[in-house]
Amino acid sequence: KQEVTQIPAALSVPEGENLVLNCSFTDSAIYNLQWFRQDPGKGLTSLLLIQSSQREQTSGRLNASLDKSSGRSTLYIAASQPGDSATYLCAVRKTDKLIFGTGTRLQVFP
Amino acid sequence: KAGVTQTPRYLIKTRGQQVTLSCSPISGHRSVSWYQQTPGQGLQFLFEYFSETQRNKGNFPGRFSGRQFSNSRSEMNVSTLELGDSALYLCASSLLGTSNEQFFGPGTRLTVL
Repeated sequence: KQEVTQIPAALSVPEGENLVLNCSFTDSAIYNLQWFRQDPGKGLTSLLLIQSSQREQTSGRLNASLDKSSGRSTLYIAASQPGDSATYLCAVRKTDKLIFGTGTRLQVFP
Repeated sequence: KAGVTQTPRYLIKTRGQQVTLSCSPISGHRSVSWYQQTPGQGLQFLFEYFSETQRNKGNFPGRFSGRQFSNSRSEMNVSTLELGDSALYLCASSLLGTSNEQFFGPGTRLTVL
């Protein structure tokens, strides 16, 4: 059974810091991995999608890497801003559905 | 290009009632998936529809059902509501499903009293 874990569960950093969010999964047979952000009470916003054959994806200040063999993905956020405050979720796609991690709640203070 | 839309955004029902939620995917997307989000269980997969056929189903009781129309719009129905059904219900659309990026709607917040 696929399990997805995110560490840390919560993170509070000052504005401007570079930070790394971690996602671990137990079954390496995945189609892809997707990172989302969720603002309180809102839906999910897709940030990055990494196919199983890829090693990383970049979008603006965000960079996500994927190491299938070790069952890990990291989301790197450069020069964090207060607007980055949200819950970040990773999800792995195995066959028919997305399996989500429990999320990392990020707070960036001015 | 319009995003995924869900209606209604908020619902309050009482135990025993039934409810229908609606999801309109991004134009051209043929796959619609539904997820339930609760503080205790996180995000859990309900089912996926593709070209009007339920392709996959999560581990939920038969009270949860859905359907998809020819224009790819999807509805989800929950019968005989229980207090534990209170949750944020999210739908996601993608072009073809499995390997494609999933785009989520804003969700429907269901409260069961």
